[in-house]
Amino acid sequence: DSGVTQTPKHLITATGQRVTLRCSPRSGDLSVYWYQQSLDQGLQFLIQYYNGEERAKGNILERFSAQQFPDLHSELNLSSLELGDSALYFCASTGLSHYGYTFGSGTRLTVV
Amino acid sequence: DQQVKQNSPSLSVQEGRISILNCDYTNSMFDYFLWYKKYPAEGPTFLISISSIKDKNEDGRFTVFLNKSAKHLSLHIVPSQPGDSAVYFCAASGNTNAGKSTFGDGTTLTVKP
Repeated sequence: DSGVTQTPKHLITATGQRVTLRCSPRSGDLSVYWYQQSLDQGLQFLIQYYNGEERAKGNILERFSAQQFPDLHSELNLSSLELGDSALYFCASTGLSHYGYTFGSGTRLTVV
Repeated sequence: DQQVKQNSPSLSVQEGRISILNCDYTNSMFDYFLWYKKYPAEGPTFLISISSIKDKNEDGRFTVFLNKSAKHLSLHIVPSQPGDSAVYFCAASGNTNAGKSTFGDGTTLTVKP
């Protein structure tokens, strides 16, 4: 157990639908990052939150949005889903010192 | 524009020998480099890192070398063990990008007994 919790582990949904992925960071970590990994490719940065505020944005689609709540958990919302959104979505957290991310085990999203 | 590249999708080595995984980057603003290991059905786990002020960092069987002039880094695993079989991701970050890391596509290492 890395300390970063992602739910659900698997999600199957139809095109056009909306889903919410949840992430609880490691205790004490203020930064949360979301990454997308499609079909054996690298991890593509989506968005970062630090203590409730958006800090950096990557190539995140307009159909996707995220937020970090006062208890520091974060949610990634994906709407108007397309087949190409099928991927592994990872959440990671870090503390004040950059010793590398702690990743969750990911949510595998399948859009059918 | 892929700023971090791992040109070898896969690598196979014999147990006990050295594994060398390579990574190239293009952004000269990167000043911190990391390696992660990923097993199937798990998230990546942090392995080792190096700051741009150093050219080598060692942790047990794992050593990372950085050549800033060539914008190249490598991960050496000596001796390789079957349990090292995994996907290895190279990542880079800089002070100007809020701590986010840019990842390569990964190299699948297979260590044969």
